[in-house]
Amino acid sequence: AQSVTQLDSQVPVFEEAPVELRCNYSSSVSVYLFWYVQYPNQGLQLLLKYLSGSTLVKGINGFEAEFNKSQTSFHLRKPSVHISDTAEYFCAVRRRNQGGKLIFGQGTELSVKP
Amino acid sequence: EPEVTQTPSHQVTQMGQEVILRCVPISNHLYFYWYRQILGQKVEFLVSFYNNEISEKSEIFDDQFSVERPDGSNFTLKIRSTKLEDSAMYFCASSDGGIDEQYFGPGTRLTVT
Repeated sequence: AQSVTQLDSQVPVFEEAPVELRCNYSSSVSVYLFWYVQYPNQGLQLLLKYLSGSTLVKGINGFEAEFNKSQTSFHLRKPSVHISDTAEYFCAVRRRNQGGKLIFGQGTELSVKP
Repeated sequence: EPEVTQTPSHQVTQMGQEVILRCVPISNHLYFYWYRQILGQKVEFLVSFYNNEISEKSEIFDDQFSVERPDGSNFTLKIRSTKLEDSAMYFCASSDGGIDEQYFGPGTRLTVT
C-alpha cells in the first residue's frame, strides 16, 4: 500500500519570498509522484510529475520539485511566490501500472500575503 | 485544450434520495475515475473504470455506489440512498492509461440534508 504525508497543513508566506511545501511518501513498490494545485472553487490541476530520470522536475508557474529516493520525499519549491499562487497544493503518488489510482496527501494551504 | 466536464456543479438532496453525478471525460481517454473530497479532508479514491467494467474500487465504494458509462461520452456515479456523510466534492478524472497524468474535472459539490 502507498501513503502520502504532507507535513504542513498551512504555509503563510509573503509575496516574492521563497517557499517549500513538504511531501513524504511510503510505498513498497516503485511509484510515480505528482503535485496538483487546487485554486478556490476549482478542480485539480497538475503542477508537475516525476516519472523517472532527473530527480529535479520543473513544472508550470515556476514551481519545481526534487525527488529524493533515500528520504522518500518529493518537496515542492518556488523561489519567489506571487499572490496568485494562493491555493491548496496536493502531493500524490500512484503505482507504475496502467490506470492506477492516485493516493493523495492531506494538502497544504499556501497563503501568499502582500 | 480538451477538458473533463462535470454536471451539476452543485447538487442538494435529502437523505435517502438517489443522486446521479455526471462526467464527460476527455474523448480519447480509456480510464475513468471518481474521487471525493470531504470538506477539510484529503482527496480520496473511490473507483476506476476501464473497458466497461470496474478495475479497482476502495472500501468507500460500497453497494450504495455504482458507476456506468451509458454511451460513448458520459461517465456517471450513482448513489442509491444518500447519507449525510456522503456530502463532499466529487471529482471525475480520466487518463489514457499510460504514464500520463489524470485530468480532473471541476467537481460536483454534493450536499445531503
